[in-house]
Amino acid sequence: ETGVTQSPTHLIKTRGQQVTLRCSSQSGHNTVSWYQQALGQGPQFIFQYYREEENGRGNFPPRFSGLQFPNYSSELNVNALELDDSALYLCASSLGESTNVLTFGAGSRLTVL
Amino acid sequence: GQNIDQPTEMTATEGAIVQINCTYQTSGFNGLFWYQQHAGEAPTFLSYNVLDGLEEKGRFSSFLSRSKGYSYLLLKELQMKDSASYLCAVGNNAGNMLTFGGGTRLMVKP
Repeated sequence: ETGVTQSPTHLIKTRGQQVTLRCSSQSGHNTVSWYQQALGQGPQFIFQYYREEENGRGNFPPRFSGLQFPNYSSELNVNALELDDSALYLCASSLGESTNVLTFGAGSRLTVL
Repeated sequence: GQNIDQPTEMTATEGAIVQINCTYQTSGFNGLFWYQQHAGEAPTFLSYNVLDGLEEKGRFSSFLSRSKGYSYLLLKELQMKDSASYLCAVGNNAGNMLTFGGGTRLMVKP
């Protein structure tokens, strides 16, 4: 079975720009969660998508938005990038809307200059 | 509020046993989870506890005391490949979100 794949692996943006990160969930998983991990810290929950609907959101501003597609893949969009948005963005998939046994992807490392 | 504390770094010797502690104060609780993250890689699920007591999985065991807001991860027969960050996380009541601690970076030396 294929795991969680994310793209791009690395990218550099400047303040004020917009970015879209993509995630393909593990085969058979229907739920996708996104986490932000700053250097040397634990991941922070951004939001979760289940059956194409947002199913929980962490303490992130509205300029962080997402989508889930019928094939359960997902996108994370961040508008008006700020320097503090520089981090590793982790996508995780799972089966069902109420489980925290997650399969993570390797992440997309975003640098904002 | 959510507060999860774990030591920042630990060092241990190959073949030894190490215990990584985690204390938590959270507004909800739906399990205590441990993930392993090698540098530059994805976190991988190790174990979780919902009820008090010890869960054993090969060389790794995890313990939970809900009344004390305390968990630990025990690693036996340490190997060099166990050098990684170990993330303690608490699940919320809805089961759709994990709150992570800052992670404990474990260095295993020969």
